[in-house]
Amino acid sequence: GQSLEQPSEVTAVEGAIVQINCTYQTSGFYGLSWYQQHDGGAPTFLSYNALDGLEETGRFSSFLSRSDSYGYLLLQELQMKDSASYFCAVLQGGKLIFGQGTELSVKP
Amino acid sequence: DTAVSQTPKYLVTQMGNDKSIKCEQNLGHDTMYWYKQDSKKFLKIMFSYNNKELIINETVPNRFSPKSPDKAHLNLHINSLELGDSAVYFCASSQILPNSQETQYFGPGTRLLVL
Repeated sequence: GQSLEQPSEVTAVEGAIVQINCTYQTSGFYGLSWYQQHDGGAPTFLSYNALDGLEETGRFSSFLSRSDSYGYLLLQELQMKDSASYFCAVLQGGKLIFGQGTELSVKP
Repeated sequence: DTAVSQTPKYLVTQMGNDKSIKCEQNLGHDTMYWYKQDSKKFLKIMFSYNNKELIINETVPNRFSPKSPDKAHLNLHINSLELGDSAVYFCASSQILPNSQETQYFGPGTRLLVL
């Protein structure tokens, strides 16, 4: 089977840095993805890590450690518009398995 | 130019009714999906089609029947709606590559409320 665990909610202030962790258990692993979903909106792709290390895209970075079955999404210079749910996901048997999502609240 | 579109956006109906949701993608992708997102935001795959062929069929009641008339369209028909079917249903598409991650593009969702 497969499972992903991430915190249910995180709160941070504008301008801060926040890290959302994800641990996974899968049989077979092809990489870790992150998706963002605003309230009432659709999930949108943020990043993907197939290999160990850090991938940076603007204010967002994603990290993967395959030996630890662990990854995280790092959001820097937080803005109010970053308030959303963030999902990690792994590919298993041709389908994306999503974590339960982390609700990020950015306060002024 | 909408990449993945769904209709309707909102659907309110009575228990026992039959309803359909339509999805279209103009990205030229080979694979399309239906997901269900419950009130706790848990996102779970229901079905996946690749070039009009069903490739993933999760444990979904057989009241749910997907249909793909061509690779750009994937519809979902639900018979005898139940209260527990209330959720947001997302369509998605991707260009699938064997044993590698692919980006999935989601439609705006259909908010189904069964009364």
